[in-house]
Amino acid sequence: AQRVTQPEKLLSVFKGAPVELKCNYSYSGSPELFWYVQYSRQRLQLLLRHISRESIKGFTADLNKGETSFHLKKPFAQEEDSAMYYCALKAGYSSASKIIFGSGTRLSIRP
Amino acid sequence: DTGVSQDPRHKITKRGQNVTFRCDPISEHNRLYWYRQTLGQGPEFLTYFQNEAQLEKSRLLSDRFSAERPKGSFSTLEIQRTEQGDSAMYLCASSLVVTSGINEQFFGPGTRLTVL
Repeated sequence: AQRVTQPEKLLSVFKGAPVELKCNYSYSGSPELFWYVQYSRQRLQLLLRHISRESIKGFTADLNKGETSFHLKKPFAQEEDSAMYYCALKAGYSSASKIIFGSGTRLSIRP
Repeated sequence: DTGVSQDPRHKITKRGQNVTFRCDPISEHNRLYWYRQTLGQGPEFLTYFQNEAQLEKSRLLSDRFSAERPKGSFSTLEIQRTEQGDSAMYLCASSLVVTSGINEQFFGPGTRLTVL
């Protein structure tokens, strides 16, 4: 079954501390993984995708097929990083297939 | 605002009533998706359209739910005989399908449904 698991509902860290939001997936094919973010009172938006191997707002995520993980990391948290983060998996081979979301992790950055 | 728009933003209804939501995608986007999000969960896929054709429906989409995209532009999602379990945020997203490159889904602000 296709599934995305985010084990932490809430993660609270101090400003300047490292951040790691965990994500594990279950998918039989070759996965495409994403991180979406939703800031307070804003709509859901794409943060980054694994195939781009990019760093956005200081965040990076590496796909580990052996551990079926796609953890989101940032070395130094900032207060504006406080938001809801969703790990997601594109299901299917089409370039426009549906997305399966995890249940989300609320990141709270303490000053 | 040139992003995805949804109307209404909030809807309160009594159990057993029918409700209809509208989604206007980004104008050149040919794919339109509907998701449902309940409290404490991530969005769950309901259905999607390629232009006016409905290509996939989730098992979550019971026979009380129907979606249309008659002219390949805006879409409507109707729920008949609403139940309290239908209370959720209903999200719409759109994307432009290209043969290569990235297909990013852009989300609307959602319609929050409360069934009393």
